[in-house]
Amino acid sequence: NAGVTQTPKFRVLKTGQSMTLLCAQDMNHEYMYWYRQDPGMGLRLIHYSVGEGTTAKGEVPDGYNVSRLKKQNFLLGLESAAPSQTSVYFCASRTQGRDNEQFFGPGTRLTVL
Amino acid sequence: GNSVTQMEGPVTLSEEAFLTINCTYTATGYPSLFWYVQYPGEGLQLLLKATKADDKGSNKGFEATYRKETTSFHLEKGSVQVSDSAVYFCALLYNQGGKLIFGQGTELSVKP
Repeated sequence: NAGVTQTPKFRVLKTGQSMTLLCAQDMNHEYMYWYRQDPGMGLRLIHYSVGEGTTAKGEVPDGYNVSRLKKQNFLLGLESAAPSQTSVYFCASRTQGRDNEQFFGPGTRLTVL
Repeated sequence: GNSVTQMEGPVTLSEEAFLTINCTYTATGYPSLFWYVQYPGEGLQLLLKATKADDKGSNKGFEATYRKETTSFHLEKGSVQVSDSAVYFCALLYNQGGKLIFGQGTELSVKP
């Protein structure tokens, strides 16, 4: 099992450009999450999904969109990138169950110039 | 609202020293509590968890006890190793959607 994978690992964008980050999991997990990690701020939830075809906003959703067309994939889109979106992005997944852990991908480092 | 506060880092220790990383939380109800670890260049991994008051989570020599009366979940290890150098995150499980709320992370550096 590959677990949770993220594509790409690194990306540099110019302000105003768009891109999509792909998260894939092979554990048949129902729930998936997108976080951003910034120095001194821990991880903050952007969007999440509790099942195929569903999405919901997290703590910092502005400027991002997501889609969960297939159970194993969760896409994070930036329509018009801004320097404030420079961050490390992590995807995570978990199965149903009250206290089940989240499994994290290796991260995508995004720089917006 | 729900929140998690960790002691600020970085924390620098010598090998075999005792480690404590403080974590306190604010939450409605009775959340589950987690410690995650992030090694350099990697994603987060679950280190340990506790799901109710007075539970003790333990793994790889690390321990943390869920203290409801002090709303704390401090991480301890009796003798750290260089390989424990990482960033440690305390987190609270907010059950709506299984969402985690993270503290800001504490960087630990262990010197030989």
